[in-house]
Amino acid sequence: QVRLQQWGAGLLKPSETLSLTCAVYGESFTGDAWTWIRQSPEKGLEWIGEINHAGSTNYSPSLKSRVTLSVDTSKKQFSLKMHYVTAADTAMYYCSRGRLLYGDFLGFDTWGQGTLVTVSS
Amino acid sequence: YELTQPPSVSVSPGQTARITCSGDAFSKQYAYWYHQKPGQAPVLVIYKDNERPSGIPERISGSTSGTIVTLIINGVQAEDEADYYCQSTDSSGSYPVFGGGTKLTVL
Repeated sequence: QVRLQQWGAGLLKPSETLSLTCAVYGESFTGDAWTWIRQSPEKGLEWIGEINHAGSTNYSPSLKSRVTLSVDTSKKQFSLKMHYVTAADTAMYYCSRGRLLYGDFLGFDTWGQGTLVTVSS
Repeated sequence: YELTQPPSVSVSPGQTARITCSGDAFSKQYAYWYHQKPGQAPVLVIYKDNERPSGIPERISGSTSGTIVTLIINGVQAEDEADYYCQSTDSSGSYPVFGGGTKLTVL
């Protein structure tokens, strides 16, 4: 049974960089899409991007210019950096596993506990 | 939202709840459903239109008809009260998108 635990700074000033990390416990790190999703009252659930164990990434077109995902397979961790944050980036941020089986997407079946990120001057 | 859900659905205990989600994506892509209780992360309840992850009761199911997908909860219980979100991919099939969510109230 896989478990995700995430951490990072929760209070940022405008123009700073959001930085979150998610650790994967319990199962193999390969074969799945390690994903970041955020949730706010204004935008609901919003997919930010994904990375696999080899470091291959996909990003939301609307966030691509400000987001960088990275992975550390030795620690079974993946990370999110979002640059130049504004108040509009205030949200609950979740890491999640996009389960893949023989190329089939089986849903976001495991989620971290969430990190509330607030951007305020 | 590319996927449209009703803001709220209300049912009495023991009745059947149906939560719809409409979007052009469903003519080509699978539907996924999540529930979310206050203060908790979303939980996957249906994948690939009508498959249940382990631990999800059989009274929860999914159906599809063209561009409308439906989450069906038979014999609704108080514990089913939550927000429900559908998910698929954007119109180009490039990245995941979510519906705006439906609040299920058990009367």
